[in-house]
Amino acid sequence: DQQVKQNSPSLSVQEGRISILNCDYTNSMFDYFLWYKKYPAEGPTFLISISSIKDKNEDGRFTVFLNKSAKHLSLHIVPSQPGDSAVYFCAASEGNNDMRFGAGTRLTVKP
Amino acid sequence: DAGVIQSPRHEVTEMGQEVTLRCKPISGHNSLFWYRQTMMRGLELLIYFNNNVPIDDSGMPEDRFSAKMPNASFSTLKIQPSEPRDSAVYFCASSLTGTHTEAFFGQGTRLTVV
Repeated sequence: DQQVKQNSPSLSVQEGRISILNCDYTNSMFDYFLWYKKYPAEGPTFLISISSIKDKNEDGRFTVFLNKSAKHLSLHIVPSQPGDSAVYFCAASEGNNDMRFGAGTRLTVKP
Repeated sequence: DAGVIQSPRHEVTEMGQEVTLRCKPISGHNSLFWYRQTMMRGLELLIYFNNNVPIDDSGMPEDRFSAKMPNASFSTLKIQPSEPRDSAVYFCASSLTGTHTEAFFGQGTRLTVV
């Protein structure tokens, strides 16, 4: 059972524009959410996180929004840069560090 | 710290053979995870350990898969016998035990079973 879902396998945006990656989850007990970035032939690296007590967390060009009622979170990247091209994984955990991941979204930022 | 170290980076084996993947977590981290990356399901959690003890192995596909963590600095994931459908990238990750911590991933082992 896929508890974390990323329904868009790919996304293409122009350099300088905003990238919005979406993630939905089904387990209402999840209380911590993370985004990971993965380049080819490398392991995923942590990007940004948000606790369920917040609805927004910002770190430079990256902002994560959490809508608990909709069980939805999104990652905004603005402005997008070609170096942001990677696969982005959404992850969630329930009170511990048993992290469940989505299937990933491949972001391509075109120069 | 060198980060999470996985070996081998690539493994090609014949169907029916035993495969052993290895992982050295970051020193001081006491949670360790094994994930399998597939196109359809992304990063699937196979099993995780806290303080060398398996906590949740419900993600292990079947009895052909087994994982051990004999000490805090080493873990193995074994597939016996291997099948072509096991071909995937297997990632190991480690973290500090506790809530709201991120995991650090190794570079993965690309397994091909022919």
